[in-house]
Amino acid sequence: AQTVTQSQPEMSVQEAETVTLSCTYDTSESNYYLFWYKQPPSRQMILVIRQEAYKQQNATENRFSVNFQKAAKSFSLKISDSQLGDTAMYFCAFMSRNNNNDMRFGAGTRLTVKP
Amino acid sequence: DAGITQSPRHKVTETGTPVTLRCHQTENHRYMYWYRQDPGHGLRLIHYSYGVKDTDKGEVSDGYSVSRSKTEDFLLTLESATSSQTSVYFCAISGWGDQPQHFGDGTRLSIL
Repeated sequence: AQTVTQSQPEMSVQEAETVTLSCTYDTSESNYYLFWYKQPPSRQMILVIRQEAYKQQNATENRFSVNFQKAAKSFSLKISDSQLGDTAMYFCAFMSRNNNNDMRFGAGTRLTVKP
Repeated sequence: DAGITQSPRHKVTETGTPVTLRCHQTENHRYMYWYRQDPGHGLRLIHYSYGVKDTDKGEVSDGYSVSRSKTEDFLLTLESATSSQTSVYFCAISGWGDQPQHFGDGTRLSIL
C-alpha cells in the first residue's frame, strides 16, 4: 500500500517570509495524483494545490507552489509571503490513478505564522 | 464551497450504542467517502460509494457500515460504538474518481 510521510510535525515562520513543508511518498505506480490540503482551526479541509504525476511542470496557485521530484518521490509545498491566515495543519495526500478511490494522507504538519 | 452538509456536528454517546452519521450533498456527485481523522494518522478512509447502493471498504472499515439509497445521502453507522471510534469524521465528495475530493466540515464523535 502507498504511504505518505510528513517528517515535520510542527513548523513556524515569520509573517511575509517563505516556508517549505516536506512530503515523501512510497509507491510502485507511475500514474498518480498528489495533493496538499489545508486544515485551519475551523476544521475545514481545503484543497490548496494538485499535481498530476505525468506532468513535469510544478503546479502553482498564487502564493503556493510545489517542488515535485518524481524520481525521489518527494512533493514539497512552498508558501511565499506567509500570512497569518496560513496558520493551519497541512496534509499531503496521494491518490493512485489505478485505484482513485483510495487516497492516502500524511500525518500532517502544523504551521504557525508569527506576526 | 461544495454543498456538503454533515450532521450532527458534534455527538457524545456511550459505549455499545448505535450511532449514525449523515452526509448530504447538493452537487449530484457520483463519489462519496467517509474518513476518520486521528492525531498522528491524518485522514484514513473508512468506506466509499461510487453510486446508489454501490459501496466498498476502505483502509479502516472494521466496526463501520454504510448505506447510500439516494445520490445525495451517504450514511455511516457504528452498530455498537466503542471508545476507539472516538474521532472526527469527515465526508467527502468528487464528481469523478480522479477529481479532487471536497470535504464537509466534519463531525466530532466522542464515545464514553
